[in-house]
Amino acid sequence: GENVEQHPSTLSVQEGDSAVIKCTYSDSASNYFPWYKQELGKRPQLIIDIRSNVGEKKDQRIAVTLNKTAKHFSLHITETQPEDSAVYFCAASYTGWIGKLTFGTGTRLTIIP
Amino acid sequence: NAGVTQTPKFRVLKTGQSMTLLCAQDMNHEYMYWYRQDPGMGLRLIHYSVGEGTTAKGEVPDGYNVSRLKKQNFLLGLESAAPSQTSVYFCASSYGGSGAQETQYFGPGTRLLVL
Repeated sequence: GENVEQHPSTLSVQEGDSAVIKCTYSDSASNYFPWYKQELGKRPQLIIDIRSNVGEKKDQRIAVTLNKTAKHFSLHITETQPEDSAVYFCAASYTGWIGKLTFGTGTRLTIIP
Repeated sequence: NAGVTQTPKFRVLKTGQSMTLLCAQDMNHEYMYWYRQDPGMGLRLIHYSVGEGTTAKGEVPDGYNVSRLKKQNFLLGLESAAPSQTSVYFCASSYGGSGAQETQYFGPGTRLLVL
């Protein structure tokens, strides 16, 4: 089955700086890669996703890049703000799994004021 | 429109007791999922359903059973709780369909402690 590795497990950045979280996946058939944000005590919520037919997607301060050849994808947050502090999870799936996502182990991002 | 809701929010069980967690969604989603979340391990799929009356095993199904008698509800049962089942349980749902790669919407979670 699919295996998703996520790094780093913790990340601290100064407010206003950029943060990058990286994930690798094992199954070359995977073609859908969402990112979820989970604030303390809350539910995971989708913040951005990318499909295998594109290499990059942006949404305001958040962007995701995908390298299918290397089987890795990354989340980029620019101009970080205190409200960006949370745990971020990457995930991967492909059509044959009927929406079954395999999640990474999460990155705890702390924004230092 | 409440989205995905879960009942109860928190529960304490003794080893060997049984309980049922209820998940309900009002978005007319076909697919529903149960995950458990443990520190340092992300979210792991327990069971899922692709429609009313169907269920299937996920990554960590042992010790759990599920039922989807109504499209809007997905029940997770623990027949004989064990301390290893102490976790936070999340339900999720998505539109589904043929070849679906749809956004999963999560419920608020149920925190379960097994003593």
